[in-house]
Amino acid sequence: DIVMTQSPDSLAVSLGERATINCKSSQSVLLSSNNNNFLAWYQQKPGQPPKLLIYWASTRESGVPDRFSGSGSGTDFTLTISSLQAEDVAIYFCHQYYSSPPTFGGGTKVEIK
Amino acid sequence: QVQLVQSGAEVKKPGASVKVSCKASGDTFTNYYIHWVRQAPGQGLEWMGIINPSGGTTSYAQKFQGRVTMTTDTSTSTVHMELSSLRSEDTAVYYCALQSGTTISWFDSWGQGSLVTVSS
Repeated sequence: DIVMTQSPDSLAVSLGERATINCKSSQSVLLSSNNNNFLAWYQQKPGQPPKLLIYWASTRESGVPDRFSGSGSGTDFTLTISSLQAEDVAIYFCHQYYSSPPTFGGGTKVEIK
Repeated sequence: QVQLVQSGAEVKKPGASVKVSCKASGDTFTNYYIHWVRQAPGQGLEWMGIINPSGGTTSYAQKFQGRVTMTTDTSTSTVHMELSSLRSEDTAVYYCALQSGTTISWFDSWGQGSLVTVSS
C-alpha cells in the first residue's frame, strides 16, 4: 500500500496569511504516460464529511475559491491557502488514487493564530 | 450531480453486525461507483471498499475481507455496507463516497456519515 505522510499535524496562521500543507507519498503517484499525478485534497470541517478541493494534484474543483492551490509531482505535494479566511478552519487530507487501495494522509489541522 | 443520504446512527454490541445504507438521488445511480470510508473518533480516513452499483461487483480492503459485504438495490438507488463481528475498534463514522469515471479516482462527493458505536 502507498503510505501518505502529511506535515505538519497542525498549524496556526493569522487571518490573511499563507498556510502551507505538505503531503509525501511512499512511492510516486505520477503516471508518466499522461503526466498526471493521482493526488487529491479534501477539506473537512467539524461534524461534516470531507469536501473535494483539488484533484490531479493541481486542478481545483468547481466552486472552490482560488485562494486554494495544489502543486507538486511524483512523491511530494503541497496544498497552499494563499490568504487564510475564518471559514478555512478545518482539517485537510491528501489522498492518492494511483493504486488500490486508495490511501489518505493523516490530516493537517488548520487554525487561526 | 448525485446526492448521497445515509442511514442514521447505530449502537451495537461486540460480535454483532451493522448494516449502513446510502441512498443516491439526482442522477443515474448506475453511472457511478460508490466507496465506503470510515473515520474513527479524532482519526484519519480509512478506505473499506468499492461497489459498482450497475453490476454489483465489489472490491474490499484486505483488512476487512471476510467481515464486510457491500450490496446494491438498483430499484431504490441504494447501496448497503454490512460489517460483521463488530469490536470496539469499529466505532467510527462510516461514509459512502461517490466516484465518477471507470477507474479509481477522487471522491466527488460524500454522504453525511453514519456513526456506529460498538459498546457492551
